Amino acid sequence: AQSVAQPEDQVNVAEGNPLTVKCTYSVSGNPYLFWYVQYPNRGLQFLLKYITGDNLVKGSYGFEAEFNKSQTSFHLKKPSALVSDSALYFCAVGGYSTLTFGKGTMLLVSP
Amino acid sequence: GAGVSQSPSNKVTEKGKDVELRCDPISGHTALYWYRQSLGQGLEFLIYFQGNSAPDKSGLPSDRFSAERTGGSVSTLTIQRTQQEDSAVYLCASSLGQGLAGYTFGSGTRLTVV
Repeated sequence: AQSVAQPEDQVNVAEGNPLTVKCTYSVSGNPYLFWYVQYPNRGLQFLLKYITGDNLVKGSYGFEAEFNKSQTSFHLKKPSALVSDSALYFCAVGGYSTLTFGKGTMLLVSP
Repeated sequence: GAGVSQSPSNKVTEKGKDVELRCDPISGHTALYWYRQSLGQGLEFLIYFQGNSAPDKSGLPSDRFSAERTGGSVSTLTIQRTQQEDSAVYLCASSLGQGLAGYTFGSGTRLTVV
């Protein structure tokens, strides 16, 4: 069975500061890892994914994520947060056919 | 279409009534998924279609829930004899081939059972 943990319900950061949203996973075999973002009253939007290759993955809107196999983590990062980044962020791990999502982390960026 | 379309966007129903939720995936996407999003619960997998067949329906919470897909396109999720605990946002997603390609989500149907 595969699972994802997002240990923080909410992350608060000031605009211009770096941000990190944490994710750890459990899966047998090679992990396929994803980050999605959800704005209010909207569906989830794809940010980035790790399938294989470089451990640092770059995605949409200036976000990136670092795959760490030894720590089974896939933390989402951004060097300089924007107020418009405030949203609900989901980490997911993929099996052959379906994705298992974490419970989500609310990111609040203050001006 | 350009994106995944779900209807209705909002549905209020009385306890005990049946409801149908519709999902229109991106044209050509062979895989279709239903998830349920409840407050504080994240996304709960319900069912996965590949074409018209459902190789994984392990997430359907009870026999009151069923889903079908016709013509490899539109899918309908039906909830019979709705209960208050069915209140949630029901999200549909589609993907080209397997899930590793990533999903495109619809905006969801917010179901409220009163």
